[in-house]
Amino acid sequence: EPEVTQTPSHQVTQMGQEVILRCVPISNHLYFYWYRQILGQKVEFLVSFYNNEISEKSEIFDDQFSVERPDGSNFTLKIRSTKLEDSAMYFCASSAAGGAAGELFFGEGSRLTVL
Amino acid sequence: KNQVEQSPQSLIILEGKNCTLQCNYTVSPFSNLRWYKQDTGRGPVSLTIMTFSENTKSNGRYTATLDADTKQSSLHITASQLSDSASYICVVSPSGGGNMLTFGGGTRLMVKP
Repeated sequence: EPEVTQTPSHQVTQMGQEVILRCVPISNHLYFYWYRQILGQKVEFLVSFYNNEISEKSEIFDDQFSVERPDGSNFTLKIRSTKLEDSAMYFCASSAAGGAAGELFFGEGSRLTVL
Repeated sequence: KNQVEQSPQSLIILEGKNCTLQCNYTVSPFSNLRWYKQDTGRGPVSLTIMTFSENTKSNGRYTATLDADTKQSSLHITASQLSDSASYICVVSPSGGGNMLTFGGGTRLMVKP
């Protein structure tokens, strides 16, 4: 069964360092997303991406964050200068359609720990 | 502010028993409501998606109901199994909000033998 894959599964970094989280969405999907979940808290929307551009983003997704689809298969989330509060599980998701018709398929997550 | 509240926060039941989880939301206008299952340390997995015009939707032993007038939803699990132990998350999508989903805090269910 097709699935969303994410790497790395766990990354430990020093505050101020750049981090890139990678995702391979399901191959025929057109909509891509990043969500995050701080330990013990709700899952929060970060950004959605369609047709090679950001379609929606939340207040969390500030100038320190960026997304890119560098080729036909990968979808990346970059955090330029990590802060302690960026420590969280980051989930990538993809869907074949947007809006109400779009069932999201989530990856297993990348756990980011900022020291 | 769009909010999704779930109850109970946690629940312990015996294997084979049924249970019902509750979700209240203030998202308006509203497009669809989803229930996800999330195992510890894993990504959420979709159980059901209901639009505002649907009252009920089933997926195996999972049955979700929706009352768009009272802004309430429930997830009923029948004949629980040990593998049902997980967090169950209610997620709401606002109308016109694409996939900017609003997640509830989840109900942590533990099924004991």
